Parts: sequence; C-alpha cells; structure tokens
Amino acid sequence: ETGVTQTPRHLVMGMTNKKSLKCEQHLGHNAMYWYKQSAKKPLELMFVYNFKEQTENNSVPSRFSPECPNSSHLFLHLHTLQPEDSALYLCASSQTPAAPDTQYFGPGTRLTVL
Amino acid sequence: AQTVTQSQPEMSVQEAETVTLSCTYDTSESDYYLFWYKQPPSRQMILVIRQEAYKQQNATENRFSVNFQKAAKSFSLKISDSQLGDAAMYFCAYRYTDKLIFGTGTRLQVFP
Repeated sequence: ETGVTQTPRHLVMGMTNKKSLKCEQHLGHNAMYWYKQSAKKPLELMFVYNFKEQTENNSVPSRFSPECPNSSHLFLHLHTLQPEDSALYLCASSQTPAAPDTQYFGPGTRLTVL
Repeated sequence: AQTVTQSQPEMSVQEAETVTLSCTYDTSESDYYLFWYKQPPSRQMILVIRQEAYKQQNATENRFSVNFQKAAKSFSLKISDSQLGDAAMYFCAYRYTDKLIFGTGTRLQVFP
C-alpha cells in the first residue's frame, strides 16, 4: 500500500533539536491521524484532523505540534523531546473520521531521542 | 472506557496449517466496527479484515476469516493455509467514533 507515505523513515535527534515528520496521502481522504507506537504498548492516538481542522488532541504534550495545511499533508513538529518519546510514529488517513471508514496507514517514522 | 485485549503475545504455526488469534474487547455500545491489521517487519500497517457489529455473518477475506461473537465480545482471526508471508504482528482494533483503539498485538511466526 503506497497510498500513505511518511518521511523520514528514521530520525535520530537530540533533546534540544527541532525536527518535523511529514505525512502525505494520495487517497483523496479528508481525515488524517497521528499515532504513537511504543514497544509492548497499544498504538496511541495523538491527533485527528478532518478537512484540515484538528478535531482530537489526545492529551499530547505541547512539545508535539501538528500541522495540517491541506487534506493531503500532515506534519508533526518536534521540539525539546524526551528520551521516552522514542517510538514509531504512524500516520493514517480515512475518507472521513466516521467509524465505518477504514484507516489506511503509512510505514511510520522510527524516532530515536538521545 | 473501551478496551481491546489480545492475550497471546506470540503464536506460531507451520506453513499450510491453520492458526487462530484471539481478541476480546469491552464496550457498552451496540453499533461499532472491528478490524484486524497486520504489521510486517516493513512496519506498514495493513488492513486484513473488518467486521461491522450489526452484521451477524462473519467476515471472510480469502484465507482470513473471523469468528465474531457479539455477546461474548470476542473477535478472533483465523488464518487458513498459513504462508511464510503471513509472519507479522497482528493487531485487533475497535472503532466506535473517530478513535481506533488497538490491542497490544500478537506476533505470529510461520515455520516452513
């Protein structure tokens, strides 16, 4: 499935760095999501966007800042992260945020915070 | 709160055999959606199969089928004629609103 792409695939950053993760979907969907996948834990929903508007912030620390300039692109801006933020960050999209609509995932960005 | 439980951290199966992965969930809703996703080493989460709670008929997708027991809140995945390419993490997920709630996953190994 190449409908959702993410860059970079791997990222190593220090706690004082600022970096951004990018997600692009080519499926014509209107809803986009950020998830965090840590070892031994279920995927955690971070943010939901619908038609570029944020509709869900799952109590995510402010050091994670999402941006959705249009329905095809989603960014996650990172600054002053902590080592416990190291994880796989997955982007997903669906036609709408409604429950019947299947979410399609990107390959993820493996983030390591030193 | 809705929760999804996968009680088998790891499972193994011989090629061409059948394996069943378990999933239970907790919800007070009557209309919802259940999914099985596969995550191979490439990390791309791929939809395997989905089930609408209002449908009594179990979903089937080629070699993959589910046993949906609504009253028991159970949603197991059966993989028939297992292939080496089936080796992956399998995640059960529940969706009622815009949130997709995942279990912790089951790692499936397939032996030749």
